[in-house]
Amino acid sequence: DAGVTQSPTHLIKTRGQQVTLRCSPKSGHDTVSWYQQALGQGPQFIFQYYEEEERQRGNFPDRFSGHQFPNYSSELNVNALLLGDSALYLCASSLPGSYEQYFGPGTRLTVT
Amino acid sequence: QKEVEQDPGPLSVPEGAIVSLNCTYSNSAFQYFMWYRQYSRKGPELLMYTYSSGNKEDGRFTAQVDKSSKYISLFIRDSQPSDSATYLCATDPSGNTGKLIFGQGTTLQVKP
Repeated sequence: DAGVTQSPTHLIKTRGQQVTLRCSPKSGHDTVSWYQQALGQGPQFIFQYYEEEERQRGNFPDRFSGHQFPNYSSELNVNALLLGDSALYLCASSLPGSYEQYFGPGTRLTVT
Repeated sequence: QKEVEQDPGPLSVPEGAIVSLNCTYSNSAFQYFMWYRQYSRKGPELLMYTYSSGNKEDGRFTAQVDKSSKYISLFIRDSQPSDSATYLCATDPSGNTGKLIFGQGTTLQVKP
């Protein structure tokens, strides 16, 4: 079992650019959540996808959007990047109603 | 006031010591609590899950919830250098929806 995988591992972008991050959930999991973890902070919930729809959303602007595909994999898109978007972006997968979320290793995004 | 607060540390202990990690939370309606461990450059992994109040034990780890004081704790017995990591407390305010609120994390170093 490959667990949750994320790509790319690292990414450097310039202010104003757009970025797409990718996540493949753990085998058998159909719910994907995305978190942003700034340096020295705990993860902050961005949104969650289930059945290809956004089910829950945290306090993030519309610049953050996502998508879930029929195979349950997911993308996180961030438009008009700001310096403050520099963080580790974590993807977590789970089964509906389960407390157990499995996190991927994250994508480290640096905005210059 | 943050919904979940955690002393960031760092906390340094000798091998074999008993470690106590703590968080406070703001809303007495919270019932689902988790402890995650995050090694450097890795995603968080679930250590313990508790519902409502009381104690839960798993090997060297004990999670405790005191709802009267809105305080959650993780105890590690016979600490090992491999326990050196960041420990994150979290709650799911809506109950197993996967929308977690994390504390800032406490960095623990266990010295041989």
